[in-house]
Amino acid sequence: AQKVTQAQTEISVVEKEDVTLDCVYETRDTTYYLFWYKQPPSGELVFLIRRNSFDEQNEISGRYSWNFQKSTSSFNFTITASQVVDSAVYFCALSGENNNDMRFGAGTRLTVKP
Amino acid sequence: DTGVSQDPRHKITKRGQNVTFRCDPISEHNRLYWYRQTLGQGPEFLTYFQNEAQLEKSRLLSDRFSAERPKGSFSTLEIQRTEQGDSAMYLCASSLADGGDTDTQYFGPGTRLTVL
Repeated sequence: AQKVTQAQTEISVVEKEDVTLDCVYETRDTTYYLFWYKQPPSGELVFLIRRNSFDEQNEISGRYSWNFQKSTSSFNFTITASQVVDSAVYFCALSGENNNDMRFGAGTRLTVKP
Repeated sequence: DTGVSQDPRHKITKRGQNVTFRCDPISEHNRLYWYRQTLGQGPEFLTYFQNEAQLEKSRLLSDRFSAERPKGSFSTLEIQRTEQGDSAMYLCASSLADGGDTDTQYFGPGTRLTVL
């Protein structure tokens, strides 16, 4: 069975602080895909990144970076120099090879205060 | 904008009524997914289509839930005899499955259902 755990329910930081959102996953598949989505107050899920199980390279996109470690089954997300506009709920998700059943974590609500 | 669209955005209904939601995927996408999201939780997969074929429906919540995608384009999700527990956000997503690396699902804005 596939499972995604986001242990941090809520995080609050002050603008310009760095923040890391944790994601731990469970799967028996050898081929799988990990995702992060952002859900701002407007409600629409916004795709941020996809990573396959064979690519453990960390990725950086602007202020966002992702750390994928198969040894610990983790796919953590770091926002550097956070901004108020980063305030949202962030979801980590996992799918198998066929991508027909994506499992989401419960989400982490990030609040960035000015 | 050619993203995923859903209609209506909000629906209020009385218990026992039937409701139908529509989803229009990104035009070149062949896969379409339905999810339910309740307050404080992540989206929960319900069903998905590849073109007009419904390839997975065992996760639909009950036999009151059904979905169609008759021409492989837009899809509808129907809930019959609604119950208060059906109150949630219903999300639609679409993706392009081309046989290669897995596809990425792009989500619509959702339909928020309130059952009184």
